[in-house]
Order: sequence, then structure tokens, then C-alpha cells
Amino acid sequence: ETGVTQTPRHLVMGMTNKKSLKCEQHLGHNAMYWYKQSAKKPLELMFVYSLEERVENNSVPSRFSPECPNSSHLFLHLHTLQPEDSALYLCASSQDRGRDYTFGSGTRLTVV
Amino acid sequence: GQSLEQPSEVTAVEGAIVQINCTYQTSGFYGLSWYQQHDGGAPTFLSYNGLDGLEETGRFSSFLSRSDSYGYLLLQELQMKDSASYFCAVKDGGFKTIFGAGTRLFVKA
Repeated sequence: ETGVTQTPRHLVMGMTNKKSLKCEQHLGHNAMYWYKQSAKKPLELMFVYSLEERVENNSVPSRFSPECPNSSHLFLHLHTLQPEDSALYLCASSQDRGRDYTFGSGTRLTVV
Repeated sequence: GQSLEQPSEVTAVEGAIVQINCTYQTSGFYGLSWYQQHDGGAPTFLSYNGLDGLEETGRFSSFLSRSDSYGYLLLQELQMKDSASYFCAVKDGGFKTIFGAGTRLFVKA
């Protein structure tokens, strides 16, 4: 495995469900990010972890809960989501405050 | 607020040259990046400008003018595989990178 891997690729969940998105990077980077991508809108930064410490939390609703157990893994725990949370969720990694990010292919989330 | 403006769509012919502009208004600026994203794929890094001027990487070039808060991505010798979305992004010197909404490039035969 190389690069940044996200699972699952697709997820459909009800508003009362609890699910988790997983991201794993094999690049030896020490910073990881969650972004939300909605159609025709800019990528929205959600959370940033550097050396497993959360350094950015962009006013994200508490129904999204990130976890970074080590520098290679990042999770996004989801509960009681709303239909407007349906989007592509992208994970990325970088070395320090690196000028370029490596993105995963994302998880396409649909909330019904 | 913080914003990046880029055209929503551009159409060009195979073999031609196309320029995608980006203007930004951000509270912090460290550099301007460009990413490419094919449908269903991950955004991939193309280029970075930290200083004014032109950076060239093969068929792709990127330009920055910090005094004008403006940059562009230039794609030469367009190929069908260049059909994708292109995002400009401003790095703030910390851990924040702010993205534009993307420009959808259609390359026609």
C-alpha cells in the first residue's frame, strides 16, 4: 500500500446511525487532515492533527468527532448526521506544514 | 472573510493552451498551490508558488503576483486526459490551506 488510503469508499447511513471513516497514510508524514468536499463548493477544512495532537478545529458540529491514535491513522466518527452532511470526505497528509498535501480518494457519504 | 475566486468552467481544444486564473483574499499568505482532481479521484498536487514569478513543470506552469493577490495555472499542449477539475489553494504558513471552488476543464478533440 502506498500513499493515503481511505475506507470505505462509499457509505450510506441513516440519521440515527453511528459510523466511522478511516484514513491511513504510508508516507511517514506527521500531519493529517480531514476535508469536506461538496459539489461546486471549496474544500472545507474540518480538522488538522500534527504529531497526533489536534491543532485546528474549524467550527465543526459535534456530530463529527475525529481521532488520531498515531501519526499513520486518522478516524472520523459520525453520529446523528443530517442530510446536508452528505458529501465527499477527504483525508490528506503532509510533512510538517508542508506546501503540498497528499490526498486519499475520499469516502462518498450519503445520509438518508 | 477569506475567499479564492476562479472560473467555474473552461473549455479548450486538444493541443491548445489554457490559463486558469485565481484571485485570493485571505488573512494570511504563505504560498499558492494548484491541485488537479479527476472525477472520482483524489486531488493531486501540481505546483506551488511561494515567490512572485513563474514556475514550470513540464506542460504545466504556475504564476504568482503577491502584490495583485493573483495567480494562474497554464496548461500547454492540452491532452484529453487533462479534462479534470483544477483547484487553487492558499497556504497560510500554519496548518491551514484554503481552497477555491475549482475550475472544471473540458478538453475537446
